[in-house]
Amino acid sequence: EAGVAQSPRYKIIEKRQSVAFWCNPISGHATLYWYQQILGQGPKLLIQFQNNGVVDDSQLPKDRFSAERLKGVDSTLKIQPAKLEDSAVYLCASSLDLEVSYGYTFGSGTRLTVV
Amino acid sequence: GIQVEQSPPDLILQEGANSTLRCNFSDSVNNLQWFHQNPWGQLINLFYIPSGTKQNGRLSATTVATERYSLLYISSSQTTDSGVYFCAAPGGYQKVTFGTGTKLQVIP
Repeated sequence: EAGVAQSPRYKIIEKRQSVAFWCNPISGHATLYWYQQILGQGPKLLIQFQNNGVVDDSQLPKDRFSAERLKGVDSTLKIQPAKLEDSAVYLCASSLDLEVSYGYTFGSGTRLTVV
Repeated sequence: GIQVEQSPPDLILQEGANSTLRCNFSDSVNNLQWFHQNPWGQLINLFYIPSGTKQNGRLSATTVATERYSLLYISSSQTTDSGVYFCAAPGGYQKVTFGTGTKLQVIP
């Protein structure tokens, strides 16, 4: 089966610019997650979708970050305006259902550098 | 929320050696996962192991839920085992919390 697709792989932007990341989960996976991984740290959950509804966005900096999952399939994460501290790898993951027992599958991530 | 701690933070092994990585979690959990992040950043799900022991080739994992810890065993390590190993546990409504990871380097 095809994995979780993410694009772009790399992005360099100047601070105060905007950027968008795209994720296409595994077909049939209802739950989609966006994680932020800062160098040297574990991934931190930003937002979790179940189909096209938000389950958890408590750690999403909503003043600058937004995400949507229209039609319950692929998803877009946007940062506007970007700050230097947003430099990180943004990982998308999907699972069959909210029951994490089915396990996560991660995409390859987008490495963002804000200069 | 749940706290997930891993030890050791760093580990250097000679190829062929065995190792044990530990994950402690602050609350009871109904599942726990181990991941390997390779040097290129790809996160691979190794085990889903809420309790008991599982084995997959040279890797095995044991979770003792009542004592709130899990162990990952790597036997006969190879250079391809290098990377960062994370455990992850749910806290709250299926919100998964990752530990800080164990960085493993296997040298030939």
